[in-house]
Amino acid sequence: RKEVEQDPGPFNVPEGATVAFNCTYSNSASQSFFWYRQDCRKEPKLLMSVYSSGNEDGRFTAQLNRASQYISLLIRDSKLSDSATYLCAVRRLSGNTGKLIFGQGTTLQVKP
Amino acid sequence: GAGVSQSPSNKVTEKGKDVELRCDPISGHTALYWYRQSLGQGLEFLIYFQGNSAPDKSGLPSDRFSAERTGGSVSTLTIQRTQQEDSAVYLCAIERNEQFFGPGTRLTVL
Repeated sequence: RKEVEQDPGPFNVPEGATVAFNCTYSNSASQSFFWYRQDCRKEPKLLMSVYSSGNEDGRFTAQLNRASQYISLLIRDSKLSDSATYLCAVRRLSGNTGKLIFGQGTTLQVKP
Repeated sequence: GAGVSQSPSNKVTEKGKDVELRCDPISGHTALYWYRQSLGQGLEFLIYFQGNSAPDKSGLPSDRFSAERTGGSVSTLTIQRTQQEDSAVYLCAIERNEQFFGPGTRLTVL
């Protein structure tokens, strides 16, 4: 079993839809959590960090559930430009350094 | 992207040859990471440099892989006697509270 798991999808949704992705992690020592977005043949770009209390950035909301060991990403009012692969990542060390462990990514396709 | 350049952007090599990949971050970042991304394996950690500390090499897949970081800035990842399974995108990342990736080097081993 991989340390960080995601449903690879693809998730095919119409414009304007709300879509949610989950990501589970197996190591309870994980301390920091992130969502990255990756477009085809491009590098991953940080979408948002995930804080314990949950956080929102425009149409994007991230949540952390430590008891069940998962993080989620909610995208409201999907746009065509949201089509991409969404990678979750966890880090074991506290503080702001240390390697990231990535999930395989979830592919989102937003259709007109 | 985000203050990190990598070269070359693409590299095609023959099995058995050595390759050297370069990561050039803007100054002031003490933490530098190498990852690789291949089909079926996702994004995997390779090695991590933090200031003057010994690097964390725990992700290097074999002794054919090595990396160094000179002067706390430029880093090179060397793969000796390349194999076809080394074909992947090699990504460098810097730490600025979060990790930001360079554009990567796409390595193809024929």
